[in-house]
Amino acid sequence: DQQVKQNSPSLSVQEGRISILNCDYTNSMFDYFLWYKKYPAEGPTFLISISSIKDKNEDGRFTVFLNKSAKHLSLHIVPSQPGDSAVYFCAAPGFGNEKLTFGTGTRLTIIP
Amino acid sequence: DAGVIQSPRHEVTEMGQEVTLRCKPISGHNSLFWYRQTMMRGLELLIYFNNNVPIDDSGMPEDRFSAKMPNASFSTLKIQPSEPRDSAVYFCASSGHRGRFEKLFFGSGTQLSVL
Repeated sequence: DQQVKQNSPSLSVQEGRISILNCDYTNSMFDYFLWYKKYPAEGPTFLISISSIKDKNEDGRFTVFLNKSAKHLSLHIVPSQPGDSAVYFCAAPGFGNEKLTFGTGTRLTIIP
Repeated sequence: DAGVIQSPRHEVTEMGQEVTLRCKPISGHNSLFWYRQTMMRGLELLIYFNNNVPIDDSGMPEDRFSAKMPNASFSTLKIQPSEPRDSAVYFCASSGHRGRFEKLFFGSGTQLSVL
């Protein structure tokens, strides 16, 4: 069973517009969330994270929002740039250990 | 730092053959993870080690899969015998394990194709 779900396998956005990537989770005990970005033929790299004590975390063009009541988080990229074209994974760590559970990923394509 | 190094980058083999994937973690990192990426299931954790000791192998799909970490700078993931459904990208990652929220550093992966 997927405890972290990304229901949109792909998303296309015009350059300069906002990209919104969504992630849902089922386990209300998750207390920390991370986003990773993956280019073709490379491993995922850490992008941004958020603790459950916050509802927003911002880093430059990237902002992650957390809605605990809805068990939903989203990654906003503003403005979107061609270099943002990649697969984005959301993830959450386990309890008392380092296991990261990943979603299935969303492929973002920025259209010039 | 060279980052996490995986070899080979690509592996093509025939069903029934033994496959060995290799990983060198970042120097000083004491946790190592093996993940498998497929279209259907995304990134799945297969096994992870802490200080060279396997901590959780509940993600290993079946007995055909085995992993070892003989020392802090080397790990292998072996599939014997391999099957076409094992075709996927296998990633190794390491972390410094200063706490639960320590981010992972991934290698570039091994693309495995079993014919």
